[in-house]
Amino acid sequence: DTAVSQTPKYLVTQMGNDKSIKCEQNLGHDTMYWYKQDSKKFLKIMFSYNNKELIINETVPNRFSPKSPDKAHLNLHINSLELGDSAVYFCASSLRGDYGYTFGSGTRLTVV
Amino acid sequence: GENVEQHPSTLSVQEGDSAVIKCTYSDSASNYFPWYKQELGKRPQLIIDIRSNVGEKKDQRIAVTLNKTAKHFSLHITETQPEDSAVYFCAANLREYGNKLVFGAGTILRVKS
Repeated sequence: DTAVSQTPKYLVTQMGNDKSIKCEQNLGHDTMYWYKQDSKKFLKIMFSYNNKELIINETVPNRFSPKSPDKAHLNLHINSLELGDSAVYFCASSLRGDYGYTFGSGTRLTVV
Repeated sequence: GENVEQHPSTLSVQEGDSAVIKCTYSDSASNYFPWYKQELGKRPQLIIDIRSNVGEKKDQRIAVTLNKTAKHFSLHITETQPEDSAVYFCAANLREYGNKLVFGAGTILRVKS
C-alpha cells in the first residue's frame, strides 16, 4: 500500500495546455504539500494545506491552483502551461510542519 | 530569513571513509531539522531528524549534530558504502511561515568502490 500516491508519473504536454496532477495519502496526516524540484534538484515549496485549508501559498503564478476536497487529497491544476513549468512535482504529507514529510513518487512534467 | 545553506554541493569519498555534510539556517525559531536522501529518479526519503532540544542523534552509521547557538547542523555518515551514493538534503522548519520546511540545495554524494 503506497502511503502517498501521485498520478500521473509522467506528463508530456504542449505549451498552452491545462493539466492536473492528483495526490492521495492514506497515512491519516493533517497536512499536505506541493513541492517543485527543478533541473538543479532544488526543492521549493509551492502550497500547503492543513485539513483542507490553504495555509501556505508561495509566490507561484496564479496559473497554478491547488484543490483539497478532503484532508487525504490534494490536487494541482495548471493552466496555460509554459516551458518553464517543466520540472518534477512532488506531493508530500505530514502530521504537521515540524514532523517528517512522506513524499509521493513525483510527477515529471515536460512542456514542449 | 528563509534560507538554509548547505555545503558542499558535491562530495566524493572512498568506500569505508566518512562523509560530512553541513547546513546553516537563519530562523532562530526553527526547532526541527530533518535530512532526506534522494536516489536517482526516486522520491526524497527521510533518513534522520533532530529537534532543537537535542544536540546529537545517531542511527547506526548515520548521525546528526545540532549547534543551536551557531545555527548549524551536520550529517555524518560513517563507513560509507556504494549504496550511500545519492543526493542528500537538509531542511529546517520556519515557524513564522506556516511551519513549512525549507530545504538546502542538496549535496551529491559519490562513494567510490
